[in-house]
Amino acid sequence: DAGVTQSPTHLIKTRGQQVTLRCSPKSGHDTVSWYQQALGQGPQFIFQYYEEEERQRGNFPDRFSGHQFPNYSSELNVNALLLGDSALYLCASSHLLTLQETQYFGPGTRLLVL
Amino acid sequence: TQLLEQSPQFLSIQEGENLTVYCNSSSVFSSLQWYRQEPGEGPVLLVTVVTGGEVKKLKRLTFQFGDARKDSSLHITAAQPGDTGLYLCAGDFTGANNLFFGTGTRLTVIP
Repeated sequence: DAGVTQSPTHLIKTRGQQVTLRCSPKSGHDTVSWYQQALGQGPQFIFQYYEEEERQRGNFPDRFSGHQFPNYSSELNVNALLLGDSALYLCASSHLLTLQETQYFGPGTRLLVL
Repeated sequence: TQLLEQSPQFLSIQEGENLTVYCNSSSVFSSLQWYRQEPGEGPVLLVTVVTGGEVKKLKRLTFQFGDARKDSSLHITAAQPGDTGLYLCAGDFTGANNLFFGTGTRLTVIP
């Protein structure tokens, strides 16, 4: 049973560029949440997707957008990258019908913006 | 904005010692989770607590959830070097399963 997978593992971009990160949820899960973890900080909630729609959103600008596909996988897009977007981006999956279902995290994508 | 405070931020102890990490908030959690994170990896769930006053044990780790569901603690007995890592508490305040994380406690256990 595969856990949560993310790609790529590492990425280097320059300011102003756009980036797309990908996530495949754990088998049987239908909900994907994205988090940003800056160095030395705890993860911060970006948004959550269910049934291909954004269900919840944290305090992040519109430059951060996402998508969920019919197979429950998800993408996180960040436009007009800033130096401050450098972070570990974590994807977590869960099953919505059980709202207290544990979130399982992927290994993350380390993004460096130069 | 919900705020989760963890203390201490850093902890360095000798192998065999006991330690306690605290997680506090002014808001009530519908559930609270403790995670352990290694450098460059995603957080790995240790435990989920839901009921006020709940105590859960995982080998040498004991987790307590406050009666009012606003605070939690993690106690490690006889720490080992393998316990080294970043310990994060995360609270679900809304019941919608989007987690608010504390800043973490970085534990180093010296052999």
